Amino acid sequence: EAQVTQNPRYLITVTGKKLTVTCSQNMNHEYMSWYRQDPGLGLRQIYYSMNVEVTDKGDVPEGYKVSRKEKRNFPLILESPSPNQTSLYFCASSENIGISPLHFGNGTRLTVT
Amino acid sequence: RKEVEQDPGPFNVPEGATVAFNCTYSNSASQSFFWYRQDCRKEPKLLMSVYSSGNEDGRFTAQLNRASQYISLLIRDSKLSDSATYLCVVNNDYKLSFGAGTTVTVRA
Repeated sequence: EAQVTQNPRYLITVTGKKLTVTCSQNMNHEYMSWYRQDPGLGLRQIYYSMNVEVTDKGDVPEGYKVSRKEKRNFPLILESPSPNQTSLYFCASSENIGISPLHFGNGTRLTVT
Repeated sequence: RKEVEQDPGPFNVPEGATVAFNCTYSNSASQSFFWYRQDCRKEPKLLMSVYSSGNEDGRFTAQLNRASQYISLLIRDSKLSDSATYLCVVNNDYKLSFGAGTTVTVRA
């Protein structure tokens, strides 16, 4: 089954404790992206990747890192999480961004205390 | 000004009713447009692309008005299962901008 898999689904952590949210897709898509969703603000792009070893900042990249060492994986790293990073996070991939649909993972609900 | 703006609603409609709502975008050079559906903080899923000539998919009709820079979604014969948040998405040079969503609640 074609899918984007994110883990974990729920995560509660404390300020400053490094964490990684994994994202993997099995559709051989070149484009992958991370979004955060907050009430009233819609989805905002954190980072995106057009291909392996190519990553770029989105609208809200501060406090986040990503890597794209292989096509299928695009982990999101929070080196020192802060409470303002409490949010719902989605990973997504697309065969051809802007033309083909975005396929989203199930989401990760992160709480930083 | 936000790149994509939507009326948040909620639009509360009875089953069988028609509901329509718009989404405005700020960049006149935007190339492509989409409607996504999101159920209760689950992942968004593509509902339909929006073409220049307008397009229909069953009970759903999408329109694009480039002169006034908005797209619209119309749902006919609403079903309970249409209750969701509808996200407007605008593509500009491979960068997607999302609206905050319009919530539709269909009641029996």
